[in-house]
Amino acid sequence: GENVEQHPSTLSVQEGDSAVIKCTYSDSASNYFPWYKQELGKGPQLIIDIRSNVGEKKDQRIAVTLNKTAKHFSLHITETQPEDSAVYFCAASRGNTPLVFGKGTRLSVIA
Amino acid sequence: DVKVTQSSRYLVKRTGEKVFLECVQDMDHENMFWYRQDPGLGLRLIYFSYDVKMKEKGDIPEGYSVSREKKERFSLILESASTNQTSMYLCASSFWDRDGTQYFGPGTRLTVL
Repeated sequence: GENVEQHPSTLSVQEGDSAVIKCTYSDSASNYFPWYKQELGKGPQLIIDIRSNVGEKKDQRIAVTLNKTAKHFSLHITETQPEDSAVYFCAASRGNTPLVFGKGTRLSVIA
Repeated sequence: DVKVTQSSRYLVKRTGEKVFLECVQDMDHENMFWYRQDPGLGLRLIYFSYDVKMKEKGDIPEGYSVSREKKERFSLILESASTNQTSMYLCASSFWDRDGTQYFGPGTRLTVL
């Protein structure tokens, strides 16, 4: 089955700097790659996703890139702000199968 | 907005008790999921359901069962709670024939003493 590895497990950045979180997946048939943000005391919320037919997607300060050949995808957050501090999860799935999640990255943005 | 609600935010039970965690979604989603979340282990899938009366085992089903009698409701049952089931439990739902986006509830933090 699918296996998703996520790095780093913790990340601290200064406010205004960029943050990058990387994930690799094992199943070449996976075609859907969402990213979730989990704030303290809340359930994970989808922030951006990408499908295997595109290489990059942006939404304001957030972008995701996908390299199908290498089987890895990354989350990029630019101009980080204190409210970006949270735990971020990547995930992968093929079609209508359950998502397989990475173990999460705790991002701290230092003001 | 999609709304996934869970019956309790915090729950404390004793070893051996039968525990019910309830999840309700209001978006007519076919798929519903139960995960547990533990530090350093991420989200692990316990059970999921593609339709009423249907259930599928996830990665860690041992010690758990589920019930889906109505489309909007998915219950997780701990038949005899044990201390190693102390965890955060997250429910999620999604459409069957769409992009796989899952919507999560706020979670139930269960402590088994």
